[in-house]
Amino acid sequence: QERLVQSGAEVKTPGASMKISCKVFGYTFTSYYLNWVRLAPGQGPEWVGIINPSGASTTYAPAFEDRVVMTRDTSTSTVYMELSGLKFEDTAIYYCARGGRLWYGEFHRAFDLWGQGTVVTVSS
Amino acid sequence: EIVLTQTPGILSSSPGDRATLSCRASQSFAHNFLAWYQKKPGQSPRLLIYNAVIRATDVPDRFIGNAAGTDFSLTISRLEPEDFAVYYCQQYGTSPFTFGPGTKVDFK
Repeated sequence: QERLVQSGAEVKTPGASMKISCKVFGYTFTSYYLNWVRLAPGQGPEWVGIINPSGASTTYAPAFEDRVVMTRDTSTSTVYMELSGLKFEDTAIYYCARGGRLWYGEFHRAFDLWGQGTVVTVSS
Repeated sequence: EIVLTQTPGILSSSPGDRATLSCRASQSFAHNFLAWYQKKPGQSPRLLIYNAVIRATDVPDRFIGNAAGTDFSLTISRLEPEDFAVYYCQQYGTSPFTFGPGTKVDFK
């Protein structure tokens, strides 16, 4: 069964960094792009960026590009997102979501499979 | 970046009603690369429609997507109790990919 399983909840203080993970099950890890999306209370979803799990190339949303790093570990079929300089407004649920097929160059594709979400709370 | 505006913010409806949700883009983007997602409390978003008009796997045919230039719509032809949720549109034609603020479909 295809699924994305994310790491557990995080509580951080302002200025700290966080690193959360998303493990792929049920399909070939290097076949699809993976995205990160966050959903803050009372707001619409916000796309953070995308990683190519095969070549590790990334594209980040401008709002995050100075403090986000996405990486992957092909040996464990896991992608990671590290966000530094945390602010109160980074409090949100962070999701990984599958995008398009790498072989077909489907950078532009809707997100058809989502992880269960990781709750991140930034509090002093 | 492309800004998506969704209207109405809240749609109060009853089971059996027809619901029409709108999504307007601030500029055009490639290939009608627009999706609709359903979000229920405590659940992850679920893809309903992609490429503006194509239903995702296992999505009932009461969900209908339409496109006209930079105006997009999602129609639920006859609301079922499980359809009361928040719906988001998303464009993935131009990076950064962006989402709308959502339309909540709740009980009248």
